[in-house]
Amino acid sequence: GQQLNQSPQSMFIQEGEDVSMNCTSSSIFNTWLWYKQDPGEGPVLLIALYKAGELTSNGRLTAQFGITRKDSFLNISASIPSDVGIYFCAGQLAGSQGNLIFGKGTKLSVKP
Amino acid sequence: GAVVSQHPSRVICKSGTSVKIECRSLDFQATTMFWYRQFPKKSLMLMATSNEGSKATYEQGVEKDKFLINHASLTLSTLTVTSAHPEDSSFYICSASAIGSGGDTQYFGPGTRLTVL
Repeated sequence: GQQLNQSPQSMFIQEGEDVSMNCTSSSIFNTWLWYKQDPGEGPVLLIALYKAGELTSNGRLTAQFGITRKDSFLNISASIPSDVGIYFCAGQLAGSQGNLIFGKGTKLSVKP
Repeated sequence: GAVVSQHPSRVICKSGTSVKIECRSLDFQATTMFWYRQFPKKSLMLMATSNEGSKATYEQGVEKDKFLINHASLTLSTLTVTSAHPEDSSFYICSASAIGSGGDTQYFGPGTRLTVL
């Protein structure tokens, strides 16, 4: 089936550092979504991207929809302890009926 | 806006019983609702997609008679795990699709932790 390659799998950083993670695929996507999931909770939408090249910010978070429509990245600036969690990218394939394909997640740990 | 609730948040049941999980979009009408299953330290696995008033579309390998989905209105979908067994223990998450500023966006519920004894 279709796959999203999300990297890195995990990150251990110091508070205040910037973070970058990305998702790539060999397929073309119409939509890229970035979610954060805390343990025992459902994913929470961080940023939604709908157009190739789109760059969107949400506070300290910035995400971009790759110009080729096959990738996306998420940056977190000046990380804080509450940024800890698992970040998932999700994409909606071009021509699909709305189903999302999820990356395997990036587990972020922040040391105070 | 775009809040999705799930009930119950946790349920423990005996093997052989059936469990119903509700998913509601609280402040918007959802054209489509999705049901996912998530194993520990894994990503979300789509089980089925449902549209209001029509039969759900199940992913390959998901038993439709085992996981009954009813989408009675634009704000409510239910998942019933029938004759539950310990291997059905998992974290079940629903999402509801809303039309955003540029396209479809899925908003997730908080999840239901099912434990079958």
